[in-house]
Amino acid sequence: NAGVTQTPKFRVLKTGQSMTLLCAQDMNHEYMYWYRQDPGMGLRLIHYSVGEGTTAKGEVPDGYNVSRLKKQNFLLGLESAAPSQTSVYFCASRPPASGTDTQYFGPGTRLTVL
Amino acid sequence: AQSVTQLDSHVSVSEGTPVLLRCNYSSSYSPSLFWYVQHPNKGLQLLLKYTSAATLVKGINGFEAEFKKSETSFHLTKPSAHMSDAAEYFCVVGRGSTLGRLYFGRGTQLTVWP
Repeated sequence: NAGVTQTPKFRVLKTGQSMTLLCAQDMNHEYMYWYRQDPGMGLRLIHYSVGEGTTAKGEVPDGYNVSRLKKQNFLLGLESAAPSQTSVYFCASRPPASGTDTQYFGPGTRLTVL
Repeated sequence: AQSVTQLDSHVSVSEGTPVLLRCNYSSSYSPSLFWYVQHPNKGLQLLLKYTSAATLVKGINGFEAEFKKSETSFHLTKPSAHMSDAAEYFCVVGRGSTLGRLYFGRGTQLTVWP
């Protein structure tokens, strides 16, 4: 049971390049989330998904797209990377509504856009 | 609306002395409250959570937090700091809804001096 995994761990992009971050979970969780973490800002929600085939915008969705084609995977895409997207990206997942909101986090992807 | 204010961005203590990390929250609903810890270059680990069962919540590694509704606070404490406690700590509020969205504070960096 690996929990939540993220690929890649590190990436450097040039402005305008595109890339996809992969999040995978093996806990059969329905809900998945993408956050970005910037110094002094805590974590901010980019997009989330409440089930296979569904996605929704979070707090800071601009410049990102997501897809949830399989229940265990949640992809975050940057179509045209900008330096403002330099950040650490965390994926999280959560079981179906159980009265609590505990989320389980992956180890993060550190992205630098030059 | 939900929001979290961590009152200190940095806290420094000596090893063996008590730790107090302060958090105030705002929520239009009965909140779920969490403390997560992030060690350098690591993901987020759940320390403890409050879900209305008991106002004093015990977590891992000797940490505990007390929910005070009248003060809208959820401060994190530990009687005796250890060097391994040095990390960033996030206070988090959830709505307890099926969407399971979490709202993060900006974090408190805890330094422990020998």
